[in-house]
Amino acid sequence: EVQLVESGGALVQPGGSLRLSCAGSGFTFSRHWMNWVRQAPGKGLVWVSHIKSDASITNYADSVKGRFTISRDNAKNTLYLQMNSLRAEDTAVYYCTRENQMDVWGQGTTVTVSS
Amino acid sequence: DVVMTQSPLSLPVTLGQPASISCRSSQSLESSDGNTYLNWFHQRPGQSPRRLIYNISNRDSGVPDRFSGSGSGTDFTLKISRVEAEDVGVYYCMQITHWPGTFGQGTKVGIK
Repeated sequence: EVQLVESGGALVQPGGSLRLSCAGSGFTFSRHWMNWVRQAPGKGLVWVSHIKSDASITNYADSVKGRFTISRDNAKNTLYLQMNSLRAEDTAVYYCTRENQMDVWGQGTTVTVSS
Repeated sequence: DVVMTQSPLSLPVTLGQPASISCRSSQSLESSDGNTYLNWFHQRPGQSPRRLIYNISNRDSGVPDRFSGSGSGTDFTLKISRVEAEDVGVYYCMQITHWPGTFGQGTKVGIK
């Protein structure tokens, strides 16, 4: 079964840092682009970042550029999102998705930025 | 960024009746490679989104054939031929022809 499982979400203070992980299984992880998409409470979906299969290309939404870093470890079939200088507006459920066409989604991990 | 505008934002439907959701983009979504990268997603309450349709009209595996997608250029439609109880939730269109990929605001489908 193709599966993505996110982890690492937590309550963090403004200005703090957090690293999210997304473990892929049931498919050849190293062959696929991967994305992070977030959903603020009661709001819609927003693309955050993506990374090419070999990590040679990364892109970010303007709202997180310079603060978030996407990376991957293909040997561990795992995608990461390092989140620094967190703000209240970063509060959201963070989903990892496969391919830019987003054919597979994880269950999400919740990040809450609050003092 | 390309703006995706869905209508209606709320859609009360009667079980067994058809439903239709419109999605309009601020630019044409036809790519230089000839494809149009317009996808539809469904998010049930408390669940993560699931892709239903990709490239305007291609249903994902396991998606019932009561769901269909159509359109071209800047105007797209998702239709449900006969709404069932499991179809409730929020539907999103999304384009990835132009980066960054952008989503519509979502259409909440509920049962009357």
